[in-house]
Amino acid sequence: DAKTTQPTSMDCAEGRAANLPCNHSTISGNEYVYWYRQIHSQGPQYIIHGLKNNETNEMASLIITEDRKSSTLILPHATLRDTAVYYCIVKSYNAGNMLTFGGGTRLMVKP
Amino acid sequence: DTGVSQNPRHKITKRGQNVTFRCDPISEHNRLYWYRQTLGQGPEFLTYFQNEAQLEKSRLLSDRFSAERPKGSFSTLEIQRTEQGDSAMYLCASSLAAGNTEAFFGQGTRLTVV
Repeated sequence: DAKTTQPTSMDCAEGRAANLPCNHSTISGNEYVYWYRQIHSQGPQYIIHGLKNNETNEMASLIITEDRKSSTLILPHATLRDTAVYYCIVKSYNAGNMLTFGGGTRLMVKP
Repeated sequence: DTGVSQNPRHKITKRGQNVTFRCDPISEHNRLYWYRQTLGQGPEFLTYFQNEAQLEKSRLLSDRFSAERPKGSFSTLEIQRTEQGDSAMYLCASSLAAGNTEAFFGQGTRLTVV
């Protein structure tokens, strides 16, 4: 699976959009971009995934660049409960859920 | 609650003792995964089952570790002769067998070896 690079930490004001970037320059054609988050003392939680088109669900939006070498997870109106570590993961369709987590981005939402 | 359930939530054991953790996946999920997470790091994959078959094991899974899923439902992870380096959060996840479905994680078992 391709390697991902994320900033170690970010801050966001409550109510503002949180934009979390991820670089995955070695991604191959059959690999998807997944995002999970982990709130303190809990297991990771799935957020969203995509292949090449932008995706949106009730939690977030995922914007993938046309060359697929980077993506951005957008939390449109961050709340204090969105404070967590956010992991960007690249995996192939057939890899099941043998996920390779990196260090993630620690997002702190501040009042 | 129909999520992934792990027991116990916390375990403190003396070095050299054996410990066993249990994971109950979401009932219709036929894939079950074990991960380990040390402080400040992301989870690391250990092993996974499809139904009762253990299909993949990481190099992290030393011979002191054994996992079972005897009837394709719950799973156990046993660590024999625990060492201080085994102190970590042990996470279980489950998913459907289709290639692109997300994993649902339990809250984990935190092991402290003293």
